[in-house]
This record gives sequence, C-alpha cells and structure tokens, in this order.
Amino acid sequence: KQEVTQIPAALSVPEGENLVLNCSFTDSAIYNLQWFRQDPGKGLTSLLLIQSSQREQTSGRLNASLDKSSGRSTLYIAASQPGDSATYLCAVTKTSYDKVIFGPGTSLSVIP
Amino acid sequence: NAGVTQTPKFQVLKTGQSMTLQCAQDMNHNSMYWYRQDPGMGLRLIYYSASEGTTDKGEVPNGYNVSRLNKREFSLRLESAAPSQTSVYFCASRRGLLDTQYFGPGTRLTVL
Repeated sequence: KQEVTQIPAALSVPEGENLVLNCSFTDSAIYNLQWFRQDPGKGLTSLLLIQSSQREQTSGRLNASLDKSSGRSTLYIAASQPGDSATYLCAVTKTSYDKVIFGPGTSLSVIP
Repeated sequence: NAGVTQTPKFQVLKTGQSMTLQCAQDMNHNSMYWYRQDPGMGLRLIYYSASEGTTDKGEVPNGYNVSRLNKREFSLRLESAAPSQTSVYFCASRRGLLDTQYFGPGTRLTVL
C-alpha cells in the first residue's frame, strides 16, 4: 500500500529564509508527484508537477526535486515571504490505477 | 473558465438525512475525484471516475455513492448521513494520469 509522509509537520521561519519541505513515499511505481498549497478554509492550488522521468521542476521561487529510487521529493522555497504561509501537501499518482495519494501536509508560517 | 465548481459551499444535516453534493468542471477533463479532508487524517479519496461512464471506489467509499452524469459533472450522494461524515469535501479533476489535478473550493458538511 502506498504511504506518503511529510516532514516536518509544522515549520516556522523568519521572512527571507530559504527552506526545504520533505515528502517521502513507499512505492516508487508512480506516474508523477505533485506539490499543492492550501490556505486556511480554501481548496488546494497546484504548485508543481514532476513526472516520474524528471528530476526537478521550477516555478519562480519554488523548486521541486524528485528521487524516485529513494522515494523522496523536496520542495525548496527561496527567500520566503509572509504570503507563503500555508499548508503544503505532496501527492503521488500510482501507476497501477488512477488514484492520487496525499501526504498529511506541512504547515508553514513565515514570520515578518 | 470557472474551473472546478462545487455546490453547496456549506450544509448542515441531521443524522439520517440524505443529500447530493454537486461538482462540475469546464476544462474537458476525463478524470474526476471526490475527497474528504479531516483534521489529522489528511485528504482521503472517496470515489473517482477515470472517464465518463466509469466509477471506482477509493480509500473510504462506505456510506457514499457517486454518479458521473456526463463528462462535466460528478456528484456525490450521502444516502443516510452520519456524524462521522462531518467533513470538508473536495472535488477535483484532471485531463489524464500525467496531468495536473485541479480542485474545487470545497463543501463544508456538518451532520448533527
């Protein structure tokens, strides 16, 4: 059974710091991995999608990497801002069926 | 382009009542999903539809039924609501397995 974990569960950093969020998954047979952002009381917004054949994806201050063989992905946020405060979730799509398995999320707080 | 829309936004039911949550997407996506999100449990897949005319169970299907009415619409029905079904329900869609998943704003359901 695919399990997805995220470390840390919560993180508080001062504005301007670079930070890394971690995602681990137990089964490497995946199509892709996706990082989402969720603001309190809102739906999920897609940040980055990495296909299984790719090593990383970048969008602005965000960079996501994928190491399928070790079952790990990281989301790097450069020069953090208070507006980055949210919960960040990773999710994998298994190759055996059209399902997406989510991690529990990391709650990020960026202090001005 | 409205993306993924959900109705209603909020609902309060009494135990034993029934209701249908509606979801529609205007992106011509093939796959649609229903999730529930609970504190400490993360996002869990209830049902999904890989294409028009097909539906499959996810992790937590008990107490729910779904209908893929056409390519645009995917509804979730609670036949006899229970307090354990108090949750936030999200609908999502994507074009295919390799594509980004897009989420609706959610329905906040309370069962008394």
